Amino acid sequence: QVQLQESGPGLVKPSQTLSLTCNVSGGSISRGSYYWSWVRQPAGKGLEWIGRMYSSGSTNYNPSLKSRVTISEDTSKNQFSLNLRSVTAADTAVYFCARESNWGPRVDYWYLDLWGRGTLVTVSS
Amino acid sequence: DTQMTQSPSSLSASVGDRVAITCRASQNIGRYLNWYQQKPGKAPKLLIYAASSLQSGVPSRFSGSGSGTDFTLTINSLQPEDFATYYCQQSYSPPRSFGQGTKLEIK
Repeated sequence: QVQLQESGPGLVKPSQTLSLTCNVSGGSISRGSYYWSWVRQPAGKGLEWIGRMYSSGSTNYNPSLKSRVTISEDTSKNQFSLNLRSVTAADTAVYFCARESNWGPRVDYWYLDLWGRGTLVTVSS
Repeated sequence: DTQMTQSPSSLSASVGDRVAITCRASQNIGRYLNWYQQKPGKAPKLLIYAASSLQSGVPSRFSGSGSGTDFTLTINSLQPEDFATYYCQQSYSPPRSFGQGTKLEIK
């Protein structure tokens, strides 16, 4: 059974880089047709898609964050990571990693079917 | 980019009621629409994908319909565990986008 678990600092100073890792257990991130994604949620607010990466290394990012975000993988550790540069208080949120899977007889329908529990990151000096 | 708009933002209902939550896309997204349920302090849970396909393990009282720009999540015979926040999400193209959420509360 595949499981995802986020890890990283819970407190980051303004202007620094937020770095989180998602450990994938029970399955290989380099096998199968999956995108590995990050989603965040400020307290009391809705979900914001940050970006995703495919096992080939291709990535897609939210245009609102694209200039500051990098998502990468470490296949030797079966992990993928999020780096968000030059953070401000507006980046304070619970960050989720998630797996995007697909289904479809003729076209690929994609959906986030597996999620980590989320980790709270606070940006404050 | 595709914008997703849900209505209502909040909804009060009683156990046993039937409720419907709507989601509108800013462009035609075919059936590339998913629904999630989120409870406080928890990760979202996939309920419906491809507009109307029920995720494995999700009770059959949940159903989805629609295509193009207008979609609906219907919950028949509300159970106590259904009171949560619901989000739609388009998977037509990146960047993925979510609706703002609908909070379903007990009346």
